[in-house]
Amino acid sequence: DQQVKQNSPSLSVQEGRISILNCDYTNSMFDYFLWYKKYPAEGPTFLISISSIKDKNEDGRFTVFLNKSAKHLSLHIVPSQPGDSAVYFCAASAPNQAGTALIFGKGTTLSVSS
Amino acid sequence: DAGVIQSPRHEVTEMGQEVTLRCKPISGHNSLFWYRQTMMRGLELLIYFNNNVPIDDSGMPEDRFSAKMPNASFSTLKIQPSEPRDSAVYFCASKRQGGNTIYFGEGSWLTVV
Repeated sequence: DQQVKQNSPSLSVQEGRISILNCDYTNSMFDYFLWYKKYPAEGPTFLISISSIKDKNEDGRFTVFLNKSAKHLSLHIVPSQPGDSAVYFCAASAPNQAGTALIFGKGTTLSVSS
Repeated sequence: DAGVIQSPRHEVTEMGQEVTLRCKPISGHNSLFWYRQTMMRGLELLIYFNNNVPIDDSGMPEDRFSAKMPNASFSTLKIQPSEPRDSAVYFCASKRQGGNTIYFGEGSWLTVV
């Protein structure tokens, strides 16, 4: 039973437009959310995160929005660039006394065309 | 600074053989994670260690899988015997105490034929 869901396997966007990647979660204990980006033949790399006490976090072209009541978060990329083409993973963690593990969604493949 | 280092990067083995994947976490990180990536299931958490102690191995698919962390700078994931359905990319990741961000290695690409 997936606790973190990315329902869109793929997304295609034109360069310069906005990319919106969505993520839903089911575990109300999750208190920290992250987005990772993965290029082929490389490991995932951290992109941006948000704590459950916030509803928005912005870093340059990347903004993450959190809607706790809907158990939904989204990643906005504006403007999208061809180099943003990658797989994006949403991840969540819950407080744990002995350390925390991230639970990942299945990923969304973003393709930005020039 | 060196990131998480995994070996081998690529492994092709025959069904029934033993496979050992190795990981060196980032120095100073005290949590280590093994993930597996497949098309069907995405990034699955297999097991994680905190201060070299296994905390949660509920993601380990079968008894054929085992993981050890004999010290703070080394971990292994072993599959014995391997099966074709074990073919996947296996990622090791680490995290410092109190941090939320985990850092991944480049992965070990396993193909079992």
